Amino acid sequence: GQQLNQSPQSMFIQEGEDVSMNCTSSSIFNTWLWYKQDPGEGPVLLIALYKAGELTSNGRLTAQFGITRKDSFLNISASIPSDVGIYFCAGQLRSSNTGKLIFGQGTTLQVKP
Amino acid sequence: AAGVIQSPRHLIKEKRETATLKCYPIPRHDTVYWYQQGPGQDPQFLISFYEKMQSDKGSIPDRFSAQQFSDYHSELNMSSLELGDSALYFCASSLDPRQGSGGGYTFGSGTRLTVV
Repeated sequence: GQQLNQSPQSMFIQEGEDVSMNCTSSSIFNTWLWYKQDPGEGPVLLIALYKAGELTSNGRLTAQFGITRKDSFLNISASIPSDVGIYFCAGQLRSSNTGKLIFGQGTTLQVKP
Repeated sequence: AAGVIQSPRHLIKEKRETATLKCYPIPRHDTVYWYQQGPGQDPQFLISFYEKMQSDKGSIPDRFSAQQFSDYHSELNMSSLELGDSALYFCASSLDPRQGSGGGYTFGSGTRLTVV
C-alpha cells in the first residue's frame, strides 16, 4: 500500500509566485529524492537528500530532509512557466538496502504566465 | 553524459501476446530497477537486480520475468499480455545502493506499452 502521502495533489499559481509541496510518512526513510516528470518522459532528479535535517538547494529549488526522517518538503521560488509538470517525492526506506524507491502520489503544477 | 537507454520507446501489442523491454544502464552502474506507471499514477516498483542477481521484488505479476545480463543490461519479459498492462515502464540504474548516497539513481525515458 501507499506509504508516502504527498500534498497538495495539484497547484495552479501565477508566474513569479513561490511553491511548496511536501511528503509525509509513518515510516522512516534513509533517502529522499525529488523528481520532476514531463508527460511521457522519465522522472528527472531535482534534489537528493541523505541526512536528517539536511537542507539542499538547486537553483530556485530548495528541499529538506525532515529531522524525524519521516517527511520532506520541496520549495520552488519565483516560479516560471517551464516549472509546469508533475513533481514526485520518492524515498528509500531505512528497512530496505536494495535501493527500491517508494513514490508519493505526485503534485501537478500549473503556472499561469 | 550517458543516460539510461530504454528500447523500444513505444510498443503496441495485442492481448495474450508477449513483449520484451530492454534497458541499458549508465556505464559502471551495477544495479537496475524496473517500475510501472499507469495513467495518472505514481511509478510502482516491479523488480531490481544487483550484479546480475535479483535483489528485490515488488508487485510484479507472475506473467512477467526479468533478468540482468553479463554486460549489466536488463530485459523485462511480459507474457500473456492483458489490457491492464498498458502503462509506462521505466528502468533506472544506480551504483550499489548499499553504499549510500543514492549512487546516482537515474531513470530512463521509458517504454510506453499499449495492449489492444
